[in-house]
Order: sequence, then C-alpha cells, then structure tokens
Amino acid sequence: EVQLVESGGGLVQPGRSLRLSCAASGFTFEDYAMHWVRQAPGKGLEWVSSISWKSGSIGYADSVKGRFTISRDNAKNSLYLQMNSLRAEDMALYYCAKDTTVRGFINAFDFWGQGTMVTVSS
Amino acid sequence: DIQMTQSPSTLSASVGDRVTITCRASQSISSWLAWYQQKPGKAPKLLISKASSLESGVPSRFSGSGSGTEFTLTISSLQPDDFATYYCQQYNSQSSFGQGTKLEIK
Repeated sequence: EVQLVESGGGLVQPGRSLRLSCAASGFTFEDYAMHWVRQAPGKGLEWVSSISWKSGSIGYADSVKGRFTISRDNAKNSLYLQMNSLRAEDMALYYCAKDTTVRGFINAFDFWGQGTMVTVSS
Repeated sequence: DIQMTQSPSTLSASVGDRVTITCRASQSISSWLAWYQQKPGKAPKLLISKASSLESGVPSRFSGSGSGTEFTLTISSLQPDDFATYYCQQYNSQSSFGQGTKLEIK
C-alpha cells in the first residue's frame, strides 16, 4: 500500500525558514517523480514544485521560485521542501504527491499524503 | 505560465442528474490534463488522466473529454458520494490547477 506521510509543518514567523519532509513507502520511490502541492485555508490547489526520479529535472511555481528548494534522498525514500523567506501568503496545507509515470517528470498525481500545515504569522 | 479556468465555480444538482464541468487552458496542452475530486478535510483523489483515461477503481459514471484548450468532466448520473470539489490540472508545461468547481446538492 502506497503511503506518503508529511511532517515538519508548524508556526513560523515571516522571513524565517522551515523544512518539510515526506516519508514514502509501498512503492519503488526512486522510480517516480515527486511533487509538492499546497492549499491555503478555504482555497484551491496550487502546484508548488516537482522533482524527477533522479533529481535531474526540477520545477517551481513562480510564487516560490528562489525561496523554496525541493530535494529527495532515494536511499531514505524521502522528499523534502526547504522553504526560506516565508511570507504570509505561503500559509497553507502542504501535500506531498507521487507521479503516475515511471521515470517521468510531471504527469498526473496518483497518491497524496494527508498534508502538513504551515502557518506564517508573527 | 499556463492558466486553467474552470466553470462553473459552483454547481447545484440533484442525485441522478447528469452534470458537466468545463476546464479551459490559456494555451494548448494537448491531452495533458487530469481531473481530481476533493472532499472536505481529505486529500485530492485522481479520477482521470490524459484527459479521458479513467483511473482504476473510479466509477464509470465519470468521464473526461477534450484536447487542446477545452476539456470537460461529465458525471452521467450523480450519486450522493459525488458531492465534492473538482479540480483540473494541466501537466503540459510544468503544472497548474484550475480554481475548482464545488458540486453542491440542490
């Protein structure tokens, strides 16, 4: 059974940093691209970032480019999102999601975690 | 960046109705489009990929069509479990989601 478990969320002041993690199990992690998607309270889904299976391709939404860094450790079956210079508008539930396609980059997302909440407030 | 626009934003319907949700892309995305269903407090669930390919386990009353810039999600006969919010997602150029369509009980 595929499982994605996010962690690392919490309350952080504007301008500070936070690192999210996603622990994956139930599939061959190193074969799939992985993604971060966020959802502000009461709002829609926003794609944040993606990383290919071997980290050779990486993409970011314009809203986070230059502030967020995605990475993965295939030996640890883990995905990360380093978030720097956090702003009020970054406050959201952050989901980790698995790509549908073996050794692809960005396709549909077939499994999602339950999310970790990031609150940005002074 | 590719903008995705869904219509309507809210849709009121009854059990048994046939409903259609539209998603338009700001430029051609071929068939690189997915549909998701999200219920309150839950993660999104993938329904359809490549515009019309139904995911395993998704009821056949769901169908998707379209290519280029205009796409539709159709539910042929609404069931009580279908009342939720639906999102389209393009993955032709990086990725982006539509703003969502909330399907409400009339």
